[in-house]
Amino acid sequence: DAKTTQPTSMDCAEGRAANLPCNHSTISGNEYVYWYRQIHSQGPQYIIHGLKNNETNEMASLIITEDRKSSTLILPHATLRDTAVYYCIVRPGDMRFGAGTRLTVKP
Amino acid sequence: DSGVTQTPKHLITATGQRVTLRCSPRSGDLSVYWYQQSLDQGLQFLIQYYNGEERAKGNILERFSAQQFPDLHSELNLSSLELGDSALYFCASSPRTSAPPDTQYFGPGTRLTVL
Repeated sequence: DAKTTQPTSMDCAEGRAANLPCNHSTISGNEYVYWYRQIHSQGPQYIIHGLKNNETNEMASLIITEDRKSSTLILPHATLRDTAVYYCIVRPGDMRFGAGTRLTVKP
Repeated sequence: DSGVTQTPKHLITATGQRVTLRCSPRSGDLSVYWYQQSLDQGLQFLIQYYNGEERAKGNILERFSAQQFPDLHSELNLSSLELGDSALYFCASSPRTSAPPDTQYFGPGTRLTVL
């Protein structure tokens, strides 16, 4: 099972792009990269997922390196409401969520 | 709103007691997952059910049990409660099983406080 590593915390200025990195160097060919976020003590919210191609939806963009060993979640115009813990996980496999990255968007 | 509902929102009980947490998945979702999140901790996977059958097991204590009923709602039973069981308990649902990977949709959680 692939394991992910993420920075513990990051800051971002409001209105700027937030780029959250994730390493998953042991990911296997059939495993997807998923991103979720958890705002305060709410239930985690699905953001986006991908296998090998870059993906974009109304919330964010996901950039996956060609070797698939790392990825970056991009929030193009961060707002204060994007302050949350962001989790990068790989599926199928480990059902756990790690510690994630605590993103703080500052005015 | 994810479409997953959990009841109750808050539960306060005493050590040694037993409680039941309830989860209703999104309409049509066959998989239900339970997670525990203690204060400032990550989400710990407890157990997954798919269409009434246990599909995967995580760090679930023997004092805890779960089941998924024919109408697909699920219940998590916690017995002989200890202070350390105080946590947020989240339920998530997804359409299928874990393969191919399914997007999980989480409920708002039940906050359990054991005094």
